[in-house]
Amino acid sequence: VVTQEPSFSVSPGGTVTLTCALSSGSVSRGHYPNWYQQTPGQAPRTLIYNTNTRSSGVPGRFSGSILGDKAALTITGAQADDESDYYCMLYIGSGIRVFGGGTKVTVL
Amino acid sequence: QVQLQESGPGLVKPSETLSLTCSVSGDSISNQYWSWIRQPPGGGLEWIGYIYYSGSTNYSPSLKSRVIMSVDTSKNQFSLKLNSVVAADTAVYYCARWFCANDICYHLDVWGRGTTVTVSS
Repeated sequence: VVTQEPSFSVSPGGTVTLTCALSSGSVSRGHYPNWYQQTPGQAPRTLIYNTNTRSSGVPGRFSGSILGDKAALTITGAQADDESDYYCMLYIGSGIRVFGGGTKVTVL
Repeated sequence: QVQLQESGPGLVKPSETLSLTCSVSGDSISNQYWSWIRQPPGGGLEWIGYIYYSGSTNYSPSLKSRVIMSVDTSKNQFSLKLNSVVAADTAVYYCARWFCANDICYHLDVWGRGTTVTVSS
């Protein structure tokens, strides 16, 4: 099971860090964490892949990392249009991928 | 510009088989990996599985007993069948392409717009 915070609130210009945990143990680069952003009615789009690589066209305020035993997505200098759902996905071995439950980020 | 388009019935009866097709344009289905993902109403994303253009597959353990994916390279399409559906299979179903490099598939870089499938009698 992959666990994310259900929700977060951040002020415009503020910083927020979302995390992605694995019930079976620590998340590492070997889980190839990716992060997707989804707005209502739209398909998800990749923000970060392979732990910390920004996808093409993604603003620099989005960054990925491993923090302790979790994968993390940090938004630095949040903007109003960052208000979205964010999903992590992990590779858990044997070709299997699992999404986290998602985090709803509110900017206010 | 690569585009993926899901198609199939929007309504399926309980215990029947859900069948969807993903048509790929702007790219060849060959030498690439493709996936199906679903999202129930108000819920999160669920990875269903992947298929390689050669036909090799890997499915989510939770759905493995009911899922079959196939590919038709001549039509540049791949398909999903989910049998014995129940109301909990009601969801938006997305198809997507994997970005892979050096034998590692990193992320789903192109998505279809999704198609809503409702399971109801």
